[in-house]
Amino acid sequence: AQSVAQPEDQVNVAEGNPLTVKCTYSVSGNPYLFWYVQYPNRGLQFLLKYITGDNLVKGSYGFEAEFNKSQTSFHLKKPSALVSDSALYFCAVREASGGSYIPTFGRGTSLIVHP
Amino acid sequence: DAGITQSPRYKITETGRQVTLMCHQTWSHSYMFWYRQDLGHGLRLIYYSAAADITDKGEVPDGYVVSRSKTENFPLTLESATRSQTSVYFCASSPGQGIQPQHFGDGTRLSIL
Repeated sequence: AQSVAQPEDQVNVAEGNPLTVKCTYSVSGNPYLFWYVQYPNRGLQFLLKYITGDNLVKGSYGFEAEFNKSQTSFHLKKPSALVSDSALYFCAVREASGGSYIPTFGRGTSLIVHP
Repeated sequence: DAGITQSPRYKITETGRQVTLMCHQTWSHSYMFWYRQDLGHGLRLIYYSAAADITDKGEVPDGYVVSRSKTENFPLTLESATRSQTSVYFCASSPGQGIQPQHFGDGTRLSIL
C-alpha cells in the first residue's frame, strides 16, 4: 500500500525567507512523487514531479523539491518566499511499477507568507 | 480553450434530491477522476475511469454514481443527496498510467440543506 504524510497543517514564513513544506511517503517499491498547489476557489495545479534521476527537482514559480530515498521524503522548498506563494500545497505519491496507478494525496499544508 | 471544466461551480440543493455534477475535458485524456475535498480529510477519491465505459470505485463511493459514455465527459450523480455530501468536488484527468500529472478542474461547491 502507498501513503503520504504532510506533518504540518500550516507553515508560516516571512516574505523573503526560505520556505520548506514537508512530505514523507511510503511505497513498496520506487516512488513517483508530485507536488501540487491550490489557490482559493481553484483546482490543484501541478508544480513539479520526481520520477528518476537527479534528486533535486526544479518546478514552476521557483519551487524545487529534494528527493531523499533513505528518509523517504520529498520536501518542497523555495529560497525566497513571496506573499503570492500563500496557498494550500499537496504532496502525492504512487508506486513506479505494479500497484495502482492512482496517486495518493497528503492532507495538504497551508503556507502563509507574511509581508 | 483546451482544459477541464466543471459545472455548475456552485450548487445548493435539499436532502433527498438527485444532483449531477458535470465534468468535461478537451485533451482526450484516457483517465478521469472525481474527488471530494473536506477540511481535515484532504482529497478523497470517489470514482475513477480508465477509458470510456470503464469505471471503478475509489475510497468513498457510497451514495455516488458515475458514467462515462464518451471519453471527454465524466458526470458524477448523487442519487439521493445527504448533508454529509456537502463538500467541494473536483474532477481531474490524466493522459495515462505513466508519469504524467493530473489536471484538475476548478471544482463544484455543493451545499445540501
